[in-house]
Amino acid sequence: DSGVTQTPKHLITATGQRVTLRCSPRSGDLSVYWYQQSLDQGLQFLIQYYNGEERAKGNILERFSAQQFPDLHSELNLSSLELGDSALYFCASSVDPPTGTVFPHGYTFGSGTRLTVV
Amino acid sequence: GDSVTQMEGPVTLSEEAFLTINCTYTATGYPSLFWYVQYPGEGLQLLLKATKADDKGSNKGFEATYRKETTSFHLEKGSVQVSDSAVYFCALNWSTGGSYIPTFGRGTSLIVHP
Repeated sequence: DSGVTQTPKHLITATGQRVTLRCSPRSGDLSVYWYQQSLDQGLQFLIQYYNGEERAKGNILERFSAQQFPDLHSELNLSSLELGDSALYFCASSVDPPTGTVFPHGYTFGSGTRLTVV
Repeated sequence: GDSVTQMEGPVTLSEEAFLTINCTYTATGYPSLFWYVQYPGEGLQLLLKATKADDKGSNKGFEATYRKETTSFHLEKGSVQVSDSAVYFCALNWSTGGSYIPTFGRGTSLIVHP
């Protein structure tokens, strides 16, 4: 158990629907990152939240959104789903260092949510 | 932007063979470098890391040295086991607006036969 909890583990839904993926970071970690993993694109960074605020954005579609709540858990909302959205969605958490210092730590990943759009 | 390129797989080896998985990076500064491993059905796990030039990261018999002159961070293991079969990802951090974002290579699948 990495300490990062993602639910649900599997999700099957139809095109056009909306789903919510949930992530609880490791205790003490303030940053949450969302990644999409697919066979053709590899691991794509979607978005980062730090202590409730959006910190960085990657290749996240407009149909996707995320938020981080006061208890630091995060949700990734995927709407108007398409077949191509089928993928593994990972959440990772980290302890952020002070700005400007070397980042010595790795990131702790959850076991992912496998989304299948049919 | 900063990026990582790693060798395509799958890499297929017999047990006790020597392993090398190549990784090179492109970065404007001096990023921290990482290797992660993903076992079937699981998330990524940090395998080892190096934060500055000439640092050697090591864990579970795996090693990688941060080579600034060749912008490389190749993963090596002297004698692989069947249990090492997994997908290996090279990664670096890039800095944006005071935050650090991990960027991953495409992953290299390792298959070890008995």
